[in-house]
Amino acid sequence: DQQVKQNSPSLSVQEGRISILNCDYTNSMFDYFLWYKKYPAEGPTFLISISSIKDKNEDGRFTVFLNKSAKHLSLHIVPSQPGDSAVYFCAASKGGNSGYALNFGKGTSLLVTP
Amino acid sequence: DTAVSQTPKYLVTQMGNDKSIKCEQNLGHDTMYWYKQDSKKFLKIMFSYNNKELIINETVPNRFSPKSPDKAHLNLHINSLELGDSAVYFCASTVGETQYFGPGTRLLVL
Repeated sequence: DQQVKQNSPSLSVQEGRISILNCDYTNSMFDYFLWYKKYPAEGPTFLISISSIKDKNEDGRFTVFLNKSAKHLSLHIVPSQPGDSAVYFCAASKGGNSGYALNFGKGTSLLVTP
Repeated sequence: DTAVSQTPKYLVTQMGNDKSIKCEQNLGHDTMYWYKQDSKKFLKIMFSYNNKELIINETVPNRFSPKSPDKAHLNLHINSLELGDSAVYFCASTVGETQYFGPGTRLLVL
């Protein structure tokens, strides 16, 4: 059973505009959420994270929003650049005795066009 | 200065063979993981070791056996390879909640 879902397999955005990637989760025990970026033939690269005690975390052009009541998080990229074109994975962990194992969504492929 | 490295990057082998994938991290992290990315691109946890001790063992066939000689290394040995084992295997390490991934090993079983 998939506990983290990314319902949009792909997204296309023009350079300079905002990219919004969405993620939903079902397990209310998740307390830490992360976004990873992945290029073909490479491993996932950590982008940004947020703890369940916060509702927003910002790092440069990247902002993650968490809505715990809706079990929803989103990643905003502003402004989008062609180099942002990659697959973005949302992940969640329960921490503690779970060993911080990450539960991943299936990814959203972002294409930023010039 | 690679943080998490895996060897080999590509592995093509016949059904029934035994193979190993190696992982090393130079980040000084205590915890290491193996993930499998299947043909549908779904990344799923397989194992986790903390300071050479197994702490997570998901429902993985016992043909897969992780081995951690020291906390900087977590190797994955696979016996009697099957067609369904074809996937990309990622190693990761962490000292907290953020995991850092290796480049992946692409395994193809013929």
